[in-house]
Amino acid sequence: GAVVSQHPSRVICKSGTSVKIECRSLDFQATTMFWYRQFPKQSLMLMATSNEGSKATYEQGVEKDKFLINHASLTLSTLTVTSAHPEDSSFYICSARDTSGREHYNEQFFGPGTRLTVL
Amino acid sequence: AQRVTQPEKLLSVFKGAPVELKCNYSYSGSPELFWYVQYSRQRLQLLLRHISRESIKGFTADLNKGETSFHLKKPFAQEEDSAMYYCALGTGGYNKLIFGAGTRLAVHP
Repeated sequence: GAVVSQHPSRVICKSGTSVKIECRSLDFQATTMFWYRQFPKQSLMLMATSNEGSKATYEQGVEKDKFLINHASLTLSTLTVTSAHPEDSSFYICSARDTSGREHYNEQFFGPGTRLTVL
Repeated sequence: AQRVTQPEKLLSVFKGAPVELKCNYSYSGSPELFWYVQYSRQRLQLLLRHISRESIKGFTADLNKGETSFHLKKPFAQEEDSAMYYCALGTGGYNKLIFGAGTRLAVHP
């Protein structure tokens, strides 16, 4: 149980286009999901906290108009990289927080990540 | 400031040797500490959390508030322990995680 999926796993796009990445909790409901960015050989940097039915909370230095987050249901959050540029190329990882009261209460489960390459 | 420090980028040991991956944190509130592991080509997964006080795959970690540390230990390393290990600090109401830079553990036969 407690599986998080991401789609697509890899995307290559041209500069100036927008890319949408989906994060789904497959067998639990997640009122809160998180989006991270990971550069090669570096750690995960939290970009934003996504809350179902409300606006996302962005970390300092993350452009909210650049990285649009929508959390329309308890099992789906989307990250849209708008007008992507080569510097946006990175590994984007989502996680979902399980607050269902089961043994994994408050634990974050991570997706496999999406590698974005902007040409 | 909220910060997690893992001073070692790489820890290289031989099979059967003891392992200690260091983690120090800075946080003004009551911390919740985690160790996550990422095996080659796999997603990040929780190894253990301090409130559980359990041993997973032979690993243990004790929260030392006086030293603000949460070092990960295993008495006898195995080759399958080779992976990237991240220490993380849970903060705030949503328990968002702040990750350390990570330590790559390489266990040689």
